[in-house]
Amino acid sequence: GESVGLHLPTLSVQEGDNSIINCAYSNSASDYFIWYKQESGKGPQFIIDIRSNMDKRQGQRVTVLLNKTVKHLSLQIAATQPGDSAVYFCAERGGGKLIFGQGTELSVKP
Amino acid sequence: KAGVTQTPRYLIKTRGQQVTLSCSPISGHRSVSWYQQTPGQGLQFLFEYLSETQRNKGNFPGRFSGRQFSNSRSEMNVSTLELGDSALYLCASSQEPTAGYTFGSGTRLTVV
Repeated sequence: GESVGLHLPTLSVQEGDNSIINCAYSNSASDYFIWYKQESGKGPQFIIDIRSNMDKRQGQRVTVLLNKTVKHLSLQIAATQPGDSAVYFCAERGGGKLIFGQGTELSVKP
Repeated sequence: KAGVTQTPRYLIKTRGQQVTLSCSPISGHRSVSWYQQTPGQGLQFLFEYLSETQRNKGNFPGRFSGRQFSNSRSEMNVSTLELGDSALYLCASSQEPTAGYTFGSGTRLTVV
């Protein structure tokens, strides 16, 4: 069935380094992709989105890359900070709903 | 601008009981979706409402139901609770189903 999966369940980085979180999706018809950050005890928080007619989008310290050829999505966080520690989810919109990946836990070491 | 508000934040229920969860979307948002989050299954789509009509439904048993009111507020109901229904239930709203989704903090349901 349709699925969105993350390659790495955990990622540990040093404060100040750049982080890259990857995601694979299976539905080539998906037209919209979102990255969410979820901290303990909170709901998912929107980080950045990208539509299928784009291959790159930049926000504040974050960049999302979309490679439709290999159905791959990545989130790059520049100068990672302790406050970036959280679980990150990618999601694709298909069939009128969001399909979430399993999540990657990002741990930032001071 | 107030975010998505979910009530209650925490709930403990006994097997066999029923429960109703509430979601108030961001003002102006017409679409409301519900998700269940568990450690084992992750985030799974329950249903989506737009203008009081259910547009999509996930792969959950009929014990899970929902509705949306004319002011876009939504409720979901789970009847005959089972232990496996213990989860974080999240509500998300958007201006339109094709726009971005904003999540609430969720309702943590524990079934004992």
